[in-house]
Amino acid sequence: EVQLVESGGGLVKPGGSLRLSCAASGLTFSNAWMSWVRQAPGKGLEWVGRIKSKTHGGTTDYAAPVKGRFTISRDDSKNTQYLQMNSLQTEDTAVYYCTTGGMEFDYWGQGTLVTVSS
Amino acid sequence: DIVMTQSPDSLAVSLGERATINCKSSQSVLYSSNNKNYLAWYQQKPGQPPKLYIHWASTRESGVPDRFSGSGSGTDFTLTISSLQAEDVAVYYCQQYYTTPRTFGQGTKVEIK
Repeated sequence: EVQLVESGGGLVKPGGSLRLSCAASGLTFSNAWMSWVRQAPGKGLEWVGRIKSKTHGGTTDYAAPVKGRFTISRDDSKNTQYLQMNSLQTEDTAVYYCTTGGMEFDYWGQGTLVTVSS
Repeated sequence: DIVMTQSPDSLAVSLGERATINCKSSQSVLYSSNNKNYLAWYQQKPGQPPKLYIHWASTRESGVPDRFSGSGSGTDFTLTISSLQAEDVAVYYCQQYYTTPRTFGQGTKVEIK
């Protein structure tokens, strides 16, 4: 059974930074493309970005609102992907979901809440 | 970016009746080389993460009840629940994966009438 467990969320001031982690199990992580999707309170789903498997180059793509501020990385030895978030803005307040897949999103974690507020 | 627009925003259907959700993309998500529509549907219940229900516009995921079906091609798609059950109350999202950025519809809330 695939399990994704996010951690690292919390309250941060505007302009601050936070790093989210996603620990994966039940899949061959090194072969998996991984993504982050967020959901602002009471709102819909918004794709944040993805990282390809290393065999596909390990490259990343980002949504325009986060490009240049957020960085996705992975450590295949730890079956973990990361989302480094810098220069956080109030509009980044959301539940951040870790998902498998770079096209459709097959499996989802329970999400971790990031609140950006002064 | 491809804009995904769902209709209606919400609908209330009696138990056992049909529910139909529409999803329109601002450009075609049909890839001509393989004749596949790069379109997925998700169900999200309150307090839970979304769950992938359908991909390639009409292929149900394992374990998804067969009362759920997806149809359409190009720019116009439909998710149909043939006989609504109480456990189907949720918000449903369409999503295109034809190109990046991946984009979702705004969601359709399905309730019991």
